[in-house]
Amino acid sequence: DAEITQSPRHKITETGRQVTLACHQTWNHNNMFWYRQDLGHGLRLIHYSYGVQDTNKGEVSDGYSVSRSNTEDLPLTLESAASSQTSVYFCASSGQGARDTQYFGPGTRLTVL
Amino acid sequence: AQKVTQAQTEISVVEKEDVTLDCVYETRDTTYYLFWYKQPPSGELVFLIRRNSFDEQNEISGRYSWNFQKSTSSFNFTITASQVVDSAVYFCALILNYGQNFVFGPGTRLSVLP
Repeated sequence: DAEITQSPRHKITETGRQVTLACHQTWNHNNMFWYRQDLGHGLRLIHYSYGVQDTNKGEVSDGYSVSRSNTEDLPLTLESAASSQTSVYFCASSGQGARDTQYFGPGTRLTVL
Repeated sequence: AQKVTQAQTEISVVEKEDVTLDCVYETRDTTYYLFWYKQPPSGELVFLIRRNSFDEQNEISGRYSWNFQKSTSSFNFTITASQVVDSAVYFCALILNYGQNFVFGPGTRLSVLP
């Protein structure tokens, strides 16, 4: 069955370190998204991609970067982790249209000490 | 700008009661899509329904039903005969036809007590 996976599921890191969160989908979806979920803010879009070599900034992109070298993966990198980036991160993918249903991964809980 | 409001932060009901979760959205566009997602205590986000702005027909899926009313910009979700397994946070979301991303509401935490 097609799926979307994230790794690691839990991560603890220190302020200033570079961290990369992996997202892999086997739906063969063109569109992939990264969100963060924080109490009181719901889900907020960090970055998204509509295809290989395409990346776009979302609502809260500062301090994050993504790259899309193939259809299946969209890794999220925190260049220099900050305590404000402690959150739960969700990856999602959707089919052809940007407005198609997004299917979410299980989430990664990141703690920055 | 687009906005989704879920005014009910938390709701508690006793098992077998019916419960309605409210969702009110704002957009000036005439073509858009509305979604509901469920986030159970385990944390994953589960897709429930997608509805486009031209389809105001109510939908029923088992114990779940959705009432879409463009006149009031609402897309409410009703669970009939609630069960403990319905306990979760429920999110309503909006995306425009040419939109780049979802706008999520803040979520409603539903607790169904035995």
